[in-house]
Amino acid sequence: DVKVTQSSRYLVKRTGEKVFLECVQDMDHENMFWYRQDPGLGLRLIYFSYDVKMKEKGDIPEGYSVSREKKERFSLILESASTNQTSMYLCASSQGGSYNEQFFGPGTRLTVL
Amino acid sequence: AQSVTQPDIHITVSEGASLELRCNYSYGATPYLFWYVQSPGQGLQLLLKYFSGDTLVQGIKGFEAEFKRSQSSFNLRKPSVHWSDAAEYFCAVGAQGFGNEKLTFGTGTRLTIIP
Repeated sequence: DVKVTQSSRYLVKRTGEKVFLECVQDMDHENMFWYRQDPGLGLRLIYFSYDVKMKEKGDIPEGYSVSREKKERFSLILESASTNQTSMYLCASSQGGSYNEQFFGPGTRLTVL
Repeated sequence: AQSVTQPDIHITVSEGASLELRCNYSYGATPYLFWYVQSPGQGLQLLLKYFSGDTLVQGIKGFEAEFKRSQSSFNLRKPSVHWSDAAEYFCAVGAQGFGNEKLTFGTGTRLTIIP
């Protein structure tokens, strides 16, 4: 069964902390994605990667960075967390090609105090 | 750039009644279109997708959607809803081309089922 796992379901951090969100997929997918989900705004793409060490900005990259050193792992980094980054973060992966299904992880609910 | 509009924020339907969720997209070429469902506390799951061919596509859980190019729409339908269909539904559009595999999602429609 295909699987995308995220390191934490719930996370509480303080303003100014550096935060790492980890995502691992076991499907040998080329593409990986980070979204944030907020009520009334749907899912918004933060960053995506279509190959190891490759990254592309999504629609809302400000305040975030990413790292993909291995094909199966895609990390989202909040260099200095702020309260407006309190949100649900969803990771997804897909095979190469725009028409392929994205498989989603369960999400990490991050609260920044 | 592509965009998606889901005009209905919240819909309430009686169990056993038919359902139609609206989705309008904006994209310059033939789009790739998707419907995902997010049940409470769960990740997103693909219901169905369209990228070419027959404009009426069948998905899982008895859902179907019809691509209408003239109306830039991709509405999701189900003839008879079940209580387990209560969830949030997201329409998404994808662009063509290598390195362009991102999806743009709509804001979602929350579906409530009443007995």
